[in-house]
Amino acid sequence: DQQVKQNSPSLSVQEGRISILNCDYTNSMFDYFLWYKKYPAEGPTFLISISSIKDKNEDGRFTVFLNKSAKHLSLHIVPSQPGDSAVYFCAASALDSGYALNFGKGTSLLVTP
Amino acid sequence: GAGVSQTPSNKVTEKGKYVELRCDPISGHTALYWYRQSLGQGPEFLIYFQGTGAADDSGLPNDRFFAVRPEGSVSTLKIQRTERGDSAVYLCASTKGLPGDTQYFGPGTRLTVL
Repeated sequence: DQQVKQNSPSLSVQEGRISILNCDYTNSMFDYFLWYKKYPAEGPTFLISISSIKDKNEDGRFTVFLNKSAKHLSLHIVPSQPGDSAVYFCAASALDSGYALNFGKGTSLLVTP
Repeated sequence: GAGVSQTPSNKVTEKGKYVELRCDPISGHTALYWYRQSLGQGPEFLIYFQGTGAADDSGLPNDRFFAVRPEGSVSTLKIQRTERGDSAVYLCASTKGLPGDTQYFGPGTRLTVL
C-alpha cells in the first residue's frame, strides 16, 4: 500500500513563477519528511526536509510546508528556473523503522523559459 | 570526500542467473540503505544496515534477495535465480547513523533481466 502519495505525475510552470508540488501521507507515525530531486540516470539528490514538530522550513528558493492534521506537505519553488526541471520525490520516515524512506511516485516538473 | 558509489552502473543478465550489486558508502557513514526503483515508481525500501548488521530487512521481496555488509562499510546486494520482474534500478544510500540524518544516494545500478 502506498503510504506516500503524489497525485500529480507532472507539472509545467513558466520561468520566474512559483512551482507548488504536493504530497499526502497516510501513516501518522511518520515524523520526518523530505524532498528529493532526481535527474535521469542519477540517484536522488536531497533538497529540503522538515521535522514533524515544525510546519515550515525554508532554504533559499525552496520552502516546505507541513500540515500534520491534513497529513499533507508541499514544496514551493520560487522563482522557478529552467534548471529546476526534474522529477521531485516526496519521502517520509519514522524513528521506529530506522528512518527508512517511504517515497511517493514522483512529480515531473518542467520549467519553461 | 567522495559520495556513495555503486557498481556496476548497468547489469544485463539472463533469467535464472545470480547477480551481485555493490555499494560503497560515504566514508564514516555507519547506516546504509538499499532501495529498488521500478519504472514509473518511487524508490522502495529493501533493507537497512546499522554497522555490520541488518537492522531491518522487511522490504526484501522474497528469499532470493540477500544483502551483506561484513565490515560495516561496503555492502553487496545478492539476487539469486533472477526473474524478469527484478529488472529495476537498485539504489544505495548512506547516513552517519544519527536520527533524521539525510540519506545520500548513489547513482544506482540498472539491472535488466532478459
